Amino acid sequence: QSVLTQPPSVSGAPGQRVTISCTGSSSNIGAGYEVHWYQQRPGTAPKLLIYGNSNRPSGVPDRFSGSKSGTSASLALTGLQAEDEADYYCQSYDSSLSYSKVFGGGTKVTVL
Amino acid sequence: EVQLVQSGAEVKKPGESLKISCKGSGYSFTSYWIGWVRQMPGKGLEWMGIIYPGDSDTRYSPSFQGQVTISADKSISTAYLQWSSLKASDTAMYYCARLVPPRNAFDIWGQGTMVTVSS
Repeated sequence: QSVLTQPPSVSGAPGQRVTISCTGSSSNIGAGYEVHWYQQRPGTAPKLLIYGNSNRPSGVPDRFSGSKSGTSASLALTGLQAEDEADYYCQSYDSSLSYSKVFGGGTKVTVL
Repeated sequence: EVQLVQSGAEVKKPGESLKISCKGSGYSFTSYWIGWVRQMPGKGLEWMGIIYPGDSDTRYSPSFQGQVTISADKSISTAYLQWSSLKASDTAMYYCARLVPPRNAFDIWGQGTMVTVSS
């Protein structure tokens, strides 16, 4: 059972917009800790997609955007492409777990 | 090029010991925390712990405290993850990743080391 809750799967047709939620609590996202997002394509290592709630590293397309409000964060994928089919994970800190870094359970994005 | 290169896949028996490695290059290895992340087959990412190679300050996830040991040798820019007595439940892919300040996201990841524990 992950400290951060994500939907197991979301899907969309090419060109559509999908969002992935990451729900936490007052000891992690709600405490003001930042949220980061990672993309993991099948058989590969995770890749940093969004850091500090809404910032994109160099090279990440602006089709990916992140936001945070209260005890939740969201990742939006617009103009969905076949190459976006992957698992996506949110990550933050949790002050109730010896300041552990915590991951969400992951969300599988399927491009129909 | 900034990169982390991990040691190769391992097949071990229950009760055996193991030490896997993660070598950094292209940056100042002693200036960034390195973390270890477990991914069991078909499952999600789990943070295990982090080490600061500059002074070997180490923090563990409560879930992994006492189960593994994280260390580093700054003279060869390498971090390690080790087990003294493996269990079948340790079968997983293990990733090392660099923590970049000030936002503390994992910006560079190793390619992963698959550890299989089977009798």
